[in-house]
Amino acid sequence: EVQLVESGGGLVKPGGSLRLSCAASGFTFSSYSMNWVRQAPGKGLEWVSSISSSDIYIYYADSVKGRFTISRDIAKSSLYLEMNSLRAEDSAVYYCARAGYRSGWYDYWGQGTLVTVSS
Amino acid sequence: DIQMTQSPSSLSASVGDRVTITCRASQSISSYLNWYQQKPGKAPKLLIYAASSLQSGVPSRFSGSGSGTDFTLTISSLQPEDFATYYCQQSYNTLMCSFGQGTKLENK
Repeated sequence: EVQLVESGGGLVKPGGSLRLSCAASGFTFSSYSMNWVRQAPGKGLEWVSSISSSDIYIYYADSVKGRFTISRDIAKSSLYLEMNSLRAEDSAVYYCARAGYRSGWYDYWGQGTLVTVSS
Repeated sequence: DIQMTQSPSSLSASVGDRVTITCRASQSISSYLNWYQQKPGKAPKLLIYAASSLQSGVPSRFSGSGSGTDFTLTISSLQPEDFATYYCQQSYNTLMCSFGQGTKLENK
């Protein structure tokens, strides 16, 4: 059974940093592109970042470019999102999601982890 | 960047109704269009991929159509568990997707 479990969320002050993790199981982690999607309270879904199966291709939304870094550890079957220079508008539930094999649709999602940026 | 626009933003319907939600892309995306259902406090769930393919386990009352810039999600006979928010997503660029703003389907 495919499972994605996020962790690392919490309360952080503006300008601070946080590292989110997503532990994957039930599939060959290295074979799939992985993604982060966020959802601010009461708002819609916003794509944040993606990393290809080969780790060669990495993309970011303009809203986080230069501040966030996506990475993965194949040995640990884990996806990460390093978030720096956090702003109030980064407050959201952050989901990791697996893209279907060689596709762009997200067939499995984690339960999400809440990040709150506030002084 | 490809912008996705859904309509309506909210919709009131009753059990048994036929419901249609539309999604328009700012440029042609062929059939690279997916639909998700999200219930409060839960992660989104994939319903339809590649515009018209039903994800495994999703009831057949859900269907999708369209290509190019205009797409629709149809629920043929609304069930109580279908009241939720629905999002379209373009995956024309596999690693740089974007979502519509969502359509909240409420019980009339």
